[in-house]
Amino acid sequence: GESVGLHLPTLSVQEGDNSIINCAYSNSASDYFIWYKQESGKGPQFIIDIRSNMDKRQGQRVTVLLNKTVKHLSLQIAATQPGDSAVYFCAENFGSGNTGKLIFGQGTTLQVKP
Amino acid sequence: EPEVTQTPSHQVTQMGQEVILRCVPISNHLYFYWYRQILGQKVEFLVSFYNNEISEKSEIFDDQFSVERPDGSNFTLKIRSTKLEDSAMYFCASTSTGRKKAYGYTFGSGTRLTVV
Repeated sequence: GESVGLHLPTLSVQEGDNSIINCAYSNSASDYFIWYKQESGKGPQFIIDIRSNMDKRQGQRVTVLLNKTVKHLSLQIAATQPGDSAVYFCAENFGSGNTGKLIFGQGTTLQVKP
Repeated sequence: EPEVTQTPSHQVTQMGQEVILRCVPISNHLYFYWYRQILGQKVEFLVSFYNNEISEKSEIFDDQFSVERPDGSNFTLKIRSTKLEDSAMYFCASTSTGRKKAYGYTFGSGTRLTVV
């Protein structure tokens, strides 16, 4: 069935270190992926996205890697800061004629230690 | 920056009562969505809405749920007879037109629904 999963529920890193958050997806037809950050009591906030015709995309301090062979997605955060502490979700979408539905993974809690 | 606005931020209701959650999507967006998130769990799709009709709904979205766009700005989710398990955070989202409808998703801050 459709599912997007995350490997680790909690990731604890030291301030200044790099963070890597992983995600596995099961639908090989998925062609668009998004990483969201969610702070307590708030809605998902867009971080970065990637289309299936790419394998890497960089933003400000963040990089998303897509490996379609093993259906794996990762989010790398450089020089992690206390403000990066949040829950991170990957989400997938598939089909050019679809309704725009996103399927979310379980979420990884990132804890940044000062 | 344009925002999706949701009201109320927190709603407490008794089991069996009807609730209406309200959303004001971004003004030039045409695709609207409701998602829910049970405490500590992932965000789950409920329904998508376009051109004044439901375009897709999940298994969660049963006959107790309905959506409506009563005017040019509001988008509502109604739960007809709430159950304890409806307690969750409900997020509204909208996207603009385009080749791919999932581009440009904007989520609201959510309404926390507590059913007692």
